[in-house]
Amino acid sequence: EILLTQSPATLSLSPGEGATLSCRAGQSFGGYLAWYQQKPGQSPRLLIYDASNRAAGIPARFSGSGSGTDFTLTIGSLEPEDSAVYYCQQRHSWPITFGQGTRLEIK
Amino acid sequence: EVQLVESGGGLVQPGGSLRLSCEASGFIFSDYWMGWVRQIPGKGLQYVANIKGDESERYYADSLRGRFTISRDNAKNSVFLQMNSLRVDDTAVYYCTREREFGAHYSDSWGQGTLVTVSS
Repeated sequence: EILLTQSPATLSLSPGEGATLSCRAGQSFGGYLAWYQQKPGQSPRLLIYDASNRAAGIPARFSGSGSGTDFTLTIGSLEPEDSAVYYCQQRHSWPITFGQGTRLEIK
Repeated sequence: EVQLVESGGGLVQPGGSLRLSCEASGFIFSDYWMGWVRQIPGKGLQYVANIKGDESERYYADSLRGRFTISRDNAKNSVFLQMNSLRVDDTAVYYCTREREFGAHYSDSWGQGTLVTVSS
């Protein structure tokens, strides 16, 4: 099983700042990694797939990068509506696993 | 517009069974893999199972294989999750997802979720 560890657990930033969220895998794999955003009371939403591709309708301030064991979600110029929990997920091999999430708070 | 509407959640005693349904609309249902993901309230996400459009392949989380069964009815644009021998730790919100194939399959659409509570 590929264990995904996300850091930090919580991030508190101001509007206009940039955010960097990390997802580290317990073993190396290719780029079959996704990022999801879950706002309070809502279902998750796909942001990034294949490590670096934005899903349909996702603003350009969201970007993904990485391969191997280290993956990053970068959010440029934060907006209040970016307050959410962000999860990474690997689709490289079964069982499909998620990271434990990073909570992003916009001050 | 893609819509996924789950139903069938509720309160069930340990050892009991429940069948979740998800009705899809807004896309050609048989062209897509469909899946289930669950979330313990206030906690993270756990992948449950998925099924190919023609039902020829299905996969399960190791810990759930044998108790949970995913199926679909393409004529009714619906996917199902039969859950047997339910345990207290199966209590969660269960989300139905559409999986779109990019390099791999990703859950690009999610339902609103249905809450399953296993308790005596």
